[in-house]
Amino acid sequence: DVKVTQSSRYLVKRTGEKVFLECVQDMDHENMFWYRQDPGLGLRLIYFSYDVKMKEKGDIPEGYSVSREKKERFSLILESASTNQTSMYLCASSGGTNTGELFFGEGSRLTVL
Amino acid sequence: AQSVTQPDIHITVSEGASLELRCNYSYGATPYLFWYVQSPGQGLQLLLKYFSGDTLVQGIKGFEAEFKRSQSSFNLRKPSVHWSDAAEYFCAGSTGGFKTIFGAGTRLFVKA
Repeated sequence: DVKVTQSSRYLVKRTGEKVFLECVQDMDHENMFWYRQDPGLGLRLIYFSYDVKMKEKGDIPEGYSVSREKKERFSLILESASTNQTSMYLCASSGGTNTGELFFGEGSRLTVL
Repeated sequence: AQSVTQPDIHITVSEGASLELRCNYSYGATPYLFWYVQSPGQGLQLLLKYFSGDTLVQGIKGFEAEFKRSQSSFNLRKPSVHWSDAAEYFCAGSTGGFKTIFGAGTRLFVKA
């Protein structure tokens, strides 16, 4: 089974702090994704990566950056957290054919005070 | 614009009753279609997927979905709901690129 692990399940940060969310997958998947989930809005794509050191903006990249130095690891960075970034963050991965079938981690719930 | 719509924000079903969750899509061509389930505080788990072929798709946990091209729908069904099915359900579509589009979700409540 594919396992996608998000290192932090719950985080509480203060406005202006730098936040790192880490995600590791163990199935040698080429593609990795960061989504944000908010009630009534479904999942919105922040960034994705199709290869090491490669990244592409999704639909809502503002205020976020990402890093993919190793194939199995994809990090989401909030340079200066703001209260409107309080949300559930979901990491996902998919294989090379990328039909859209995604394997998700358990999520990281971030609260920014 | 491409979109996936789940018309029902929440649904309440009695345990043992049948269930149908609605999903409509808008794409230029038939997309790959998926249903995911999310239990409280958890990530999303794939229930089933439709790529092509047989329009009735079987999934895990006793779920099935039917693709209807004429109605641009991909509704999820289960003949008899269990209390453990209470969760949020997401329909999603993809054209094979990197941007899977998710519906807003339908929260299922199961009453005893």
